[in-house]
Amino acid sequence: QVQLVESGGTVVQPGRALRLSCVASELIFSRFAMHWVRQAPGKGLEWVALISNDGSKEYYADSVKGRFTISRDNSKNTLFLQMNSLRRDDTAVYYCVKPGGGYYFDLWGQGTLVTVSS
Amino acid sequence: SYVLTQAPPVSVAPGQTATITCGGNSIENKRVHWYQQRPGQAPVLVVYDDSDRPSGIPERFSGSNSGDTATLTISRVEAGDEADYYCHVWDSSSDHYVFGPGTKVTVL
Repeated sequence: QVQLVESGGTVVQPGRALRLSCVASELIFSRFAMHWVRQAPGKGLEWVALISNDGSKEYYADSVKGRFTISRDNSKNTLFLQMNSLRRDDTAVYYCVKPGGGYYFDLWGQGTLVTVSS
Repeated sequence: SYVLTQAPPVSVAPGQTATITCGGNSIENKRVHWYQQRPGQAPVLVVYDDSDRPSGIPERFSGSNSGDTATLTISRVEAGDEADYYCHVWDSSSDHYVFGPGTKVTVL
């Protein structure tokens, strides 16, 4: 069964760093670009970052640019999100997301919760 | 950057039709995608590229896009359709992906 499983979410103090991981199963991971999308508690969805299938290109939402870094290890079918200088408004469930044949998202992980709090 | 707006919450009786709108400047020139998110769950794609359905999504879900408004229609609404629904586009001018704020659908 094709699935995405995120991990790494926890409670972290403002200003600190955290790295999220997402492992893809039953998927030819290296064929696909991958995204992170987040959702603050009780709020809507917000696209965070995109990485090309070979890792050569990265794109970021303005709200995280310069603080977050998306990367991948295709040999381990794993996607990462390095989050530095965390702020309280980064508190959210972070989803690992696979795109479909176009600019839509056809597979979502179950999400991992990051809480930024002192 | 491109902005999407969505209608206020929708309440609908079982068996009736729910209509969810998504507004954006000349949105007809973009491909619109729709996601269903039930409470406590991850989003699920229900319509992509304005009107196509992924495999496993019932024909009751349909989409359209014209002018400044895209629409998701749920026919013969069931209790399991109660969820938040989000529209989504890719904005080529910024290379960013944009979501609407969501519309809550309540089944009476």
